[in-house]
Amino acid sequence: GAGVSQSPRYKVAKRGQDVALRCDPISGHVSLFWYQQALGQGPEFLTYFQNEAQLDKSGLPSDRFFAERPEGSVSTLKIQRTQQEDSAVYLCASSFGTSPSSYNEQFFGPGTRLTVL
Amino acid sequence: GENVEQHPSTLSVQEGDSAVIKCTYSDSASNYFPWYKQELGKGPQLIIDIRSNVGEKKDQRIAVTLNKTAKHFSLHITETQPEDSAVYFCAAPNYGQNFVFGPGTRLSVLP
Repeated sequence: GAGVSQSPRYKVAKRGQDVALRCDPISGHVSLFWYQQALGQGPEFLTYFQNEAQLDKSGLPSDRFFAERPEGSVSTLKIQRTQQEDSAVYLCASSFGTSPSSYNEQFFGPGTRLTVL
Repeated sequence: GENVEQHPSTLSVQEGDSAVIKCTYSDSASNYFPWYKQELGKGPQLIIDIRSNVGEKKDQRIAVTLNKTAKHFSLHITETQPEDSAVYFCAAPNYGQNFVFGPGTRLSVLP
């Protein structure tokens, strides 16, 4: 079956532009996560949704970052007024269960590589 | 919150040899430890995981060991093959709400 898909795969933005990154989770997966992965680093947690509810947004680095999942399936991560330090790979993951870390495998998408010039 | 350290950062082995990657964590309440493999241009993929009620788990050439007292867990790959070359990440729960990932180990298997 289809895995987690993300679009676009690559995005180049000029500093100050707004960007929107899309995630299509595996059908039926309740939980959805966004991570930021800097070059040569491990993924860092940004935010977590259970269905349409955003239960944890403690990892969002600033108020320029906003995420939504209005119908409990597709999610969008929006970054306003992009800055060079926002350049990274943004990963989306989904899992079937409702508890983020209790034995529920997270399936990752391929990521969106954002480059801010 | 949880803090995860991972060593070594890079590892080169000859094909057929074994590879070991070690991670330490700080939160004694953590109870689930996954290992992910990330190939170039792809997202991380779960390869093996272990729950805190067991000390070892094996799946063909891959095994994970857990020492709760010392708060460390290790990934063991035996009979390494070129297709094992990738970046490997360990992770631990952060107060059960999300995962904290280690910085990664780049494994190179030399033919």
